[in-house]
Amino acid sequence: AQKITQTQPGMFVQEKEAVTLDCTYDTSDPSYGLFWYKQPSSGEMIFLIYQGSYDQQNATEGRYSLNFQKARKSANLVISASQLGDSAMYFCAMREGRDTGNQFYFGTGTSLTVIP
Amino acid sequence: DTAVSQTPKYLVTQMGNDKSIKCEQNLGHDTMYWYKQDSKKFLKIMFSYNNKELIINETVPNRFSPKSPDKAHLNLHINSLELGDSAVYFCASSPRSLAGLSAYEQYFGPGTRLTVT
Repeated sequence: AQKITQTQPGMFVQEKEAVTLDCTYDTSDPSYGLFWYKQPSSGEMIFLIYQGSYDQQNATEGRYSLNFQKARKSANLVISASQLGDSAMYFCAMREGRDTGNQFYFGTGTSLTVIP
Repeated sequence: DTAVSQTPKYLVTQMGNDKSIKCEQNLGHDTMYWYKQDSKKFLKIMFSYNNKELIINETVPNRFSPKSPDKAHLNLHINSLELGDSAVYFCASSPRSLAGLSAYEQYFGPGTRLTVT
């Protein structure tokens, strides 16, 4: 089974609107971390936000928030007040606490386009 | 003071050639990785090293050989390049995950765009 699933290959959002990018994960490890990365057209990978499996509250970083639903194994990224510069690929990733190999599992990504 | 650097940024070469991509991190991290990103943007883990020791060796052709001379460097050597090797190669690093802790993100290099003609 896929460790990380992103079911939206492409998304469009109007500027200044909010958008949710979906991510579901699969693990039996009680300790894990979930990450979101942004990859603009320039190519670099930019870390956005982290959520730990034991965190009681949803993570927030500026306009980014992570809607963490542990029972559903989902970790959706919410971008509020979208800006043109948010147009990029977004990757969800997971790291398991028991994995001493430190492997990160990435989803296939969602391409977000912000429309003026 | 770049955290994770890769050289070269662009590499154009002909089929059959041998090439190397260098990666250095100045973050003091224990773990370094190589990823391949294809034209569909899918990120595929190739290798990871923990303190110069090979930890992850995914199913990649043995034409690809990583070398870690020390904890701060992880180079990727590719023999007999093929058209299908054209991709963007990312180096990344991360602190070692202590048991039960997974809070550390990966830091990525800028990527090396390899084009094989």
